[in-house]
Amino acid sequence: QKEVEQNSGPLSVPEGAIASLNCTYSDRGSQSFFWYRQYSGKSPELIMSIYSNGDKEDGRFTAQLNKASQYVSLLIRDSQPSDSATYLCAVHNYGQNFVFGPGTRLSVLP
Amino acid sequence: DVKVTQSSRYLVKRTGEKVFLECVQDMDHENMFWYRQDPGLGLRLIYFSYDVKMKEKGDIPEGYSVSREKKERFSLILESASTNQTSMYLCASSGPPETGGKLFFGSGTQLSVL
Repeated sequence: QKEVEQNSGPLSVPEGAIASLNCTYSDRGSQSFFWYRQYSGKSPELIMSIYSNGDKEDGRFTAQLNKASQYVSLLIRDSQPSDSATYLCAVHNYGQNFVFGPGTRLSVLP
Repeated sequence: DVKVTQSSRYLVKRTGEKVFLECVQDMDHENMFWYRQDPGLGLRLIYFSYDVKMKEKGDIPEGYSVSREKKERFSLILESASTNQTSMYLCASSGPPETGGKLFFGSGTQLSVL
């Protein structure tokens, strides 16, 4: 059974701090890695994708991938109250279905 | 931007009714998916399709069927709605690996079965 694990949280950080969200996966053949943000009652929104080892930055978001450790992370710099949401990690091995983690609930305190 | 459109944002149905949830994507994606999401249970895959007229069962297909007559449209059918099918239903589509294989979701349908 392919699995993706995330700390369910809630993770609370003060406004302006760095939020660090982590994800581990079991399928070593995974090729694509995604982070989704989901506000309460809304659908998941794709915010980052990463395919090779290292860091990928997009605005205040940085995704980090370490395939040897089977580990993906998302850093949110200068966290804002509007970043409060559940963050879903998803992993994909082409030809198979996407596997989602349970999500980490982030709360950014003003 | 990819647009995945679900026909209804909220739906209320009676037990035993046949329910149709429609989904249309505008990016010519081959792959389309139906998930349901329940508190504490995460996203669960109901059915998926990798081509027109093709369908495959996901993890929880019981009580559901699907139809994909055209590439852009993927319909989920609840043959006889039951209260345990009250849930948020999410349609998604994904592009080919050469464009990143990203998965995009529709806005979701919150279905209540009374």
